[in-house]
Amino acid sequence: RKEVEQDPGPFNVPEGATVAFNCTYSNSASQSFFWYRQDCRKEPKLLMSVYSSGNEDGRFTAQLNRASQYISLLIRDSKLSDSATYLCVVYSADGNQFYFGTGTSLTVIP
Amino acid sequence: NAGVTQTPKFHILKIGQSMTLQCTQDMNHNYMYWYRQDPGMGLKLIYYSVGAGITDKGEVPNGYNVSRSTTEDFPLRLELAAPSQTSVYFCASSYSKSGNTIYFGEGSWLTVV
Repeated sequence: RKEVEQDPGPFNVPEGATVAFNCTYSNSASQSFFWYRQDCRKEPKLLMSVYSSGNEDGRFTAQLNRASQYISLLIRDSKLSDSATYLCVVYSADGNQFYFGTGTSLTVIP
Repeated sequence: NAGVTQTPKFHILKIGQSMTLQCTQDMNHNYMYWYRQDPGMGLKLIYYSVGAGITDKGEVPNGYNVSRSTTEDFPLRLELAAPSQTSVYFCASSYSKSGNTIYFGEGSWLTVV
């Protein structure tokens, strides 16, 4: 079983739409959670960390459900510039490393 | 704002050849990592280092070697290149592990033919 699983998509949504991505992780001892954004042929960059209480950064909202071991990312009022692959990342101390999902592809259509 | 710099960006290698991917960071980070990313797959950890003089294997270390003689530099050596090593390689660094942002280099596209 993979450490981190994401729906690969692709998600094709019109501008202005709201879109949500989910991610599940297998290790209940996982400690830290992140969403990274990766543009085509570029390196991953931190979008936001995910906190237990949920957190928001502008149009982006991240949620963590430890009981069900999933993380979500909500993007409101999608922009063309949001088109990218979104990576779910989990840090587990017992494995002592970061685990990356395969990414969810988003294309925002004019 | 250099951050993490890796070279070369693109390289074609013949089967059996060796080469070194260079990586340097100017953020005084203790932790450095090498990942490979294959199409449709998540990033896989090759090797990591928690500080100068200390390295450890990740998930997919076979066919690679690393060294960490300074805090700034973490080169990745490919010995006897094989087609299975065709991939995109990312060097990354972080101040520590838990809860800290990983910063990535721009990637090195390597093709073994």
